[in-house]
This record gives sequence, structure tokens and C-alpha cells, in this order.
Amino acid sequence: KAGVTQTPRYLIKTRGQQVTLSCSPISGHRSVSWYQQTPGQGLQFLFEYFSETQRNKGNFPGRFSGRQFSNSRSEMNVSTLELGDSALYLCASSSGGEGYYEQYFGPGTRLTVT
Amino acid sequence: GQQLNQSPQSMFIQEGEDVSMNCTSSSIFNTWLWYKQDPGEGPVLLIALYKAGELTSNGRLTAQFGITRKDSFLNISASIPSDVGIYFCASGSGYALNFGKGTSLLVTP
Repeated sequence: KAGVTQTPRYLIKTRGQQVTLSCSPISGHRSVSWYQQTPGQGLQFLFEYFSETQRNKGNFPGRFSGRQFSNSRSEMNVSTLELGDSALYLCASSSGGEGYYEQYFGPGTRLTVT
Repeated sequence: GQQLNQSPQSMFIQEGEDVSMNCTSSSIFNTWLWYKQDPGEGPVLLIALYKAGELTSNGRLTAQFGITRKDSFLNISASIPSDVGIYFCASGSGYALNFGKGTSLLVTP
């Protein structure tokens, strides 16, 4: 089975712009989660989607949003970029079953905001 | 999310040595997981634990779910150079994973 894919792998944006990141989960997985990884804060949960519905959201401002499509692919969007948004954004997929937490990560998108 | 305290922060060991790291929390969890991350890559799932007291192995790796449900341990036996990386513990709650800060492992030949 192919793993989780994320595009693009690298991105450079200017403060104030917006950005959209894409994630394709492992075939058959219906849950997609997004995480932000920074040296200071570590890995932090952004949100999780299952069958196009957001089931949980982390403690991030409203500038961070996401969605999931009927084929389970997901996108996340960050509007009005700030320097502090520079990070590795990781997508993870899972079967999404209740109480099942085995998540498989993609390689990430490295976002740099200048 | 709930804070996970992972220790040690870093380890420098010689090839062939055994390694032990742990993760503790003030909260009770029903799931503990261990991941390894190499530079420039996403975390890779090593072991998932779902039952208090459970001891699970994956090759040279062994992890245990503490009986209090507030901690977990990961042991690596007979370390090799490719074990180098950052190891993260994670707890599952509300469809999300909450991660520790990681243990950076360096293995010298």
C-alpha cells in the first residue's frame, strides 16, 4: 500500500499571504489528522476529520482551517500568515475506528514564512 | 492537550548498548504509542499499546503500558547506528495524539 502523501514538500510564503496544503491518506483510511511541529512547541494537534466531518480541533486560532473530501483526501489552509507559522506540517491517516489511535504520518510540508 | 513528560531529553550511547526511555503523565490514558522520527521525515509508528500492563515487542524494541495507565516505557536492545533519531511517546484521546517532547538518541560506533 502507498503511504500518506503530502504536497508540496516545501513552501516559502510572505507574511500576510495564505497557503493551502494537501494530504492524501493511505488507501482505505477514512480519518485524516493534521499536526504542526516546531522546535519550541513540538508536535501539536491541529484537527481531525473523518468522513468529511471535523471530530476534534486543537488550540489554534481560526486562521487555521481544514476540510476533507469524499475520497478522504484533506486540505488545510492557513490565512494571514505570520512568521510564527513557520513549521513542519504533518498529516496522518488512520482507519478512524473508535478508540483506535494508530496514525501513520506523511513526510510533511515544510512551510517557511518570511 | 495534556502534558507528557518524556525523559531523558537526549542520550549518547555506544553501539551494542541497551537503551531505555520513558514517558509520564498526570492523566490516565487508554492508549500509548511510540514513534521514531528521522530528520526531514514524518514520525514512524513503532509500537501501539492499548491495555494497562501490556508488554509488546517489535524486533529489538519493547514497550510497556504502565499499570497506573499514567506512564509508558520503551526499551531498545543491542543498539545499532540506524537507531539514531528522535523517539516520541504519544497518548491518544478524543481522536487526537498528544506527544511528548522527544528523546534524541545518538549511537556511536
